[in-house]
Amino acid sequence: AQSVTQLGSHVSVSEGALVLLRCNYSSSVPPYLFWYVQYPNQGLQLLLKYTSAATLVKGINGFEAEFKKSETSFHLTKPSAHMSDAAEYFCAVSGGTGGFKTIFGAGTRLFVKA
Amino acid sequence: GAGVSQSPSNKVTEKGKDVELRCDPISGHTALYWYRQSLGQGLEFLIYFQGNSAPDKSGLPSDRFSAERTGGSVSTLTIQRTQQEDSAVYLCASSLGASHSGNTIYFGEGSWLTVV
Repeated sequence: AQSVTQLGSHVSVSEGALVLLRCNYSSSVPPYLFWYVQYPNQGLQLLLKYTSAATLVKGINGFEAEFKKSETSFHLTKPSAHMSDAAEYFCAVSGGTGGFKTIFGAGTRLFVKA
Repeated sequence: GAGVSQSPSNKVTEKGKDVELRCDPISGHTALYWYRQSLGQGLEFLIYFQGNSAPDKSGLPSDRFSAERTGGSVSTLTIQRTQQEDSAVYLCASSLGASHSGNTIYFGEGSWLTVV
């Protein structure tokens, strides 16, 4: 079955530092890949998605992610963290060999220190 | 409203009681999903409806859980004989087309269920 793995349930960075949240998927056929963000006491919203166009995808709030087929990865980055980035981030996969449903990773909670 | 609407937003129920959670998807969205979010467990897929196709029920954890979607719009998730381990946030979402075609999923605010 298709799956998605997020390395690190918690990541802590200083304000202004690089943010790197890792996501790996399992599929022999490139799927569609998504990053969603959940701010405290809010619903999930789309940050960015990969749909087989450009491998480097830019999203909202300065985030971007790069699809690397050879590594089956879709890591999320932001050059400079802001306090407002503190949230939980979910990687998700659909299509590929996983059939019709969208599967989410366990999530990574990002803490930003002043 | 323009978004996915869920009700109730909060529900406290006694163990053994049945509960119904309702979801109104975004108008025109053919796909509808239910997920469960427990502390530290991420989002657990429960069920997926797409148009008139048979739903994908592969994520329902037991036969106490069921869901239906009437008229291709509103959906109800029913949990019978609730147990304490059913306590979680139940998230409904919808998308314009099938999720395996790369369509963005839009989430509701969730229904917080507490079984006491």
